Amino acid sequence: KNEVEQSPQNLTAQEGEFITINCSYSVGISALHWLQQHPGGGIVSLFMLSSGKKKHGRLIATINIQEKHSSLHITASHPRDSAVYICAVRKVDNTDKLIFGTGTRLQVFP
Amino acid sequence: NAGVMQNPRHLVRRRGQEARLRCSPMKGHSHVYWYRQLPEEGLKFMVYLQKENIIDESGMPKERFSAEFPKEGPSILRIQQVVRGDSAAYFCASSPAMGQSYGYTFGSGTRLTVV
Repeated sequence: KNEVEQSPQNLTAQEGEFITINCSYSVGISALHWLQQHPGGGIVSLFMLSSGKKKHGRLIATINIQEKHSSLHITASHPRDSAVYICAVRKVDNTDKLIFGTGTRLQVFP
Repeated sequence: NAGVMQNPRHLVRRRGQEARLRCSPMKGHSHVYWYRQLPEEGLKFMVYLQKENIIDESGMPKERFSAEFPKEGPSILRIQQVVRGDSAAYFCASSPAMGQSYGYTFGSGTRLTVV
């Protein structure tokens, strides 16, 4: 079983819809990252969380340390949000490397 | 302030050739991480380097792969005698220091195709 699991694997939405992507992990972590990857493109770091909630524009990320769960929300989705969203965790073992989920492929249609 | 620069963006090699992938971290960042993304798979850690030191290479295949981060110049990921299974996207990330307070900046990746 992967240490980081994301759901759903694939997600389609109509423009304007509210979107939620979930991430569960089974290890102790010091931080959780949400990343965005466009097809054939590089990786952009969206959020780094160790507790609570962060907001940037239409994106909101939350984390519940006790439940080992994080969510990424996109409000008023737009076709340009179409990308793969990846959850990654930094384990508390001080190895300073990230463990990645397999990603959620989001397509937003106009 | 340029971000993490990786080159080349695309690299085609014949089986048995060598591949050299370069990563210049963000200005002021002395920690470099290499990750590999195989087709239809998630990202996997390969190696973590600081200037002139390999800190963690637990994700590196035992043979044919090596990495360095010299005092001057970019970090280099070197793959000798490439095979088809090495075809993947290789991403580099950098951070200013170790520790949970510091985020990562990723490069655009090098897409290696072995023919």
